[in-house]
Order: sequence, then structure tokens, then C-alpha cells
Amino acid sequence: KQEVTQIPAALSVPEGENLVLNCSFTDSAIYNLQWFRQDPGKGLTSLLLIQSSQREQTSGRLNASLDKSSGRSTLYIAASQPGDSATYLCAVRNAGNMLTFGGGTRLMVKP
Amino acid sequence: EAGVAQSPRYKIIEKRQSVAFWCNPISGHATLYWYQQILGQGPKLLIQFQNNGVVDDSQLPKDRFSAERLKGVDSTLKIQPAKLEDSAVYLCASSRFLRLAEDPYEQYFGPGTRLTVT
Repeated sequence: KQEVTQIPAALSVPEGENLVLNCSFTDSAIYNLQWFRQDPGKGLTSLLLIQSSQREQTSGRLNASLDKSSGRSTLYIAASQPGDSATYLCAVRNAGNMLTFGGGTRLMVKP
Repeated sequence: EAGVAQSPRYKIIEKRQSVAFWCNPISGHATLYWYQQILGQGPKLLIQFQNNGVVDDSQLPKDRFSAERLKGVDSTLKIQPAKLEDSAVYLCASSRFLRLAEDPYEQYFGPGTRLTVT
């Protein structure tokens, strides 16, 4: 059974810092990995999707990497802003198109 | 294109009552998912539909939860009777189904329904 863990569970940083969120998974037989953002009381917004054959994806100030063999992914956020405050979730897709989510990292960026 | 729609957005009920949630996926998306997200946790898949057929409902508590997608478009999720531990956000998501090996099956999520059972 796939298990996904995210560390840290919560993070508070001053504005402008670069930061790294970590995601690990136990079963490396994945099709892809997605990073989502969730604002309080809202649904999930997809940020980046990395196929199993890819090593990284970039969108603006976000960069996600994938090391499938070691079961790890990182989300790098450059020059953090207060508007980045949210919960970040990673999810892996196994056979059958099932997504298994981690518990999330709650990020607070202080002005 | 319009996103995934869900209603109601909020619902408060007493334990042992019943409740139903509605989801309208993105037009043309054949696959529909219901997730349960308990406060402080990541979403957990309850059931997955492909058109109007069930693909996976292994994590659906079938003694009290039911879901249907009769015409392969809208879907309803019902809880009867509700328990205190059912308090959660219920998320609906949809994705295309292209039968391609490299299809990412990217899922698009609705805003969710927040259920409080008292």
C-alpha cells in the first residue's frame, strides 16, 4: 500500500526566503507526482505535475523535482511572498489512476 | 471552461441524520472521484467512477456511504446515517480519459463541501 509523507507539517518563514518542501513515498512504481496548493476553505489547485520519466518541472517561482528510485520529491519556492501562504499537498498516482496524498505542509510567509 | 461544481458548500447536521452532496464535473471528463479530507490530513479517495461505472470503491464505508453517477455526468454522494467522525470536507474531482499511455490523468478539483456532524 502506497504511503506518502510530507515534512515539515508546518513552516513559518519571513518574506523573501527560499524554501523547500519535502515529500516521500514508499512505492516507487508511480506514474506521476503532483503538487497541489490548498487555501483555507477552498479546493485544490494543481501547481506542477511530474511524469515518472521526468526529473523536474518548473512554473514561475516554483520548481519540483522527482527522484523516483529513492521515493522523494521536493518543491522549491523561490523568493517567498505572503500570498504563498497555504497548505501544499503532494500526491502520487499509481496504477488505476488513484491519487495517494500526503498530509500536507502548512506554509505561513510573514511580511 | 467551467470548473468542477459542488453543492452545498457547507452543511451542518446531527448524528444519525442523512445528507447528500452533489457534483458536476468538467464537461467531457469521463472520470469522477469523491475524496474525504479530515481536518489536518490529506484527501482520501472514497470512490472513482469511469462514466457511470464504479472503478474503485475499496475505501468507501458501504454500510453508510453510497454514491451514484447515473447518466455518466453528475454524481451524488450520500451518508446515512451520519456519525461524528464523518465531519470533513468532501471533495469532488474529474479528469479526462484518453486511453493514452502518457496521459497524465490530471485531476481537477471542486471547492468541496464542508460537513459538520454534531
